[in-house]
Amino acid sequence: AQSVTQLDSQVPVFEEAPVELRCNYSSSVSVYLFWYVQYPNQGLQLLLKYLSGSTLVESINGFEAEFNKSQTSFHLRKPSVHISDTAEYFCAVPEGGGADGLTFGKGTHLIIQP
Amino acid sequence: GAVVSQHPSRVICKSGTSVKIECRSLDFQATTMFWYRQFPKQSLMLMATSNEGSKATYEQGVEKDKFLINHASLTLSTLTVTSAHPEDSSFYICSARRPGTGVYEQYFGPGTRLTVT
Repeated sequence: AQSVTQLDSQVPVFEEAPVELRCNYSSSVSVYLFWYVQYPNQGLQLLLKYLSGSTLVESINGFEAEFNKSQTSFHLRKPSVHISDTAEYFCAVPEGGGADGLTFGKGTHLIIQP
Repeated sequence: GAVVSQHPSRVICKSGTSVKIECRSLDFQATTMFWYRQFPKQSLMLMATSNEGSKATYEQGVEKDKFLINHASLTLSTLTVTSAHPEDSSFYICSARRPGTGVYEQYFGPGTRLTVT
């Protein structure tokens, strides 16, 4: 089974500072990687995804993530965060084994401090 | 964007009773929906895959007789927790796959907080 590790349960960052949320995965099959964001009192939303091609993927709100096969990582970064980025961020991979669901990391709570 | 709703958002029930949670895709037809469970400070765990018109596929360790899933239409899947016990207290989240999007792309509902007393 595939798995995802998010080592940081909580990351406090000052507004306009850069941030990196870490995600490592284990997979023995083709790799598809996702970052989902959950704003307070809302459902999870797809932030960005890697399926193939360029290893650097970007979202519309300034986040980016880079697929690094040698380090089995898919870290999420943003050069300058805003208060509105306060949310829970989940890294995910397909379940594998023929299942269509996703396996999620434990999530990282990004806290933006003014 | 695609919208998925869940009802209720919160429910408190007594031990031994059954609770039904609804998951609806509001602006698209979903042939496949998923049910996840999330414990505090932990990740989402896939419970089952719900396919319209057929039986749900349950993940290993999930009791299908306890967590009844019905996907009777292309816009509605229900999860019924039967004979609920305090250990069933959790956050239940559904998601739906929208036709025409990637195989693994899912749209999530806001979740239902179940508390069993």
